[in-house]
Amino acid sequence: QQQVKQSPQSLIVQKGGISIINCAYENTAFDYFPWYQQFPGKGPALLIAIRPDVSEKKEGRFTISFNKSAKQFSLHIMDSQPGDSATYFCAVDSGAGSYQLTFGKGTKLSVIP
Amino acid sequence: KAGVTQTPRYLIKTRGQQVTLSCSPISGHRSVSWYQQTPGQGLQFLFEYFSETQRNKGNFPGRFSGRQFSNSRSEMNVSTLELGDSALYLCASSPRDRGFAGYTFGSGTRLTVV
Repeated sequence: QQQVKQSPQSLIVQKGGISIINCAYENTAFDYFPWYQQFPGKGPALLIAIRPDVSEKKEGRFTISFNKSAKQFSLHIMDSQPGDSATYFCAVDSGAGSYQLTFGKGTKLSVIP
Repeated sequence: KAGVTQTPRYLIKTRGQQVTLSCSPISGHRSVSWYQQTPGQGLQFLFEYFSETQRNKGNFPGRFSGRQFSNSRSEMNVSTLELGDSALYLCASSPRDRGFAGYTFGSGTRLTVV
């Protein structure tokens, strides 16, 4: 039972371009929608998160857009840099009572110079 | 501020053996979660502990177990290892009792079963 569908699986973007990763979820009982970034040999690191009562959140070059009616949320990376090359995971947090994250399958982003 | 520490970083075990992995959370964090990461299944939730109590368990067989100590350190155990248990096992800690405060992951233990 896959609750979070993430696309694309891989993405190649030129330096300075915009990277866009999308996620769709199947349930409405989620409290937070975080994005994690993972470099090889490291654990995932929290990048940015949004609550369902907010439609957009921006932190530096990273923006989450959230569409509650469509049950979709996306990560936009503006002015993509080679250092952004990593695997990105969206997740849903079921909040109190569940205490777990359910992750998408991940998107491998490569930013080429 | 020290991060989440997982030991060992790498392990090679034989089918049928058992293994214990250790996790030291960030100081002050009382919630510890465990995840299994594989290329095929991605990141999957194993279990979560808070103040020595397991509050949630993922869809894994009973061979996977865990515990948390009074100092919040946690261990997970896998008995009767199978080849399919080869994975990166990640521990995450959180300061939260309720609400989203973010999870901080360790670098993981890479388990290889041969």
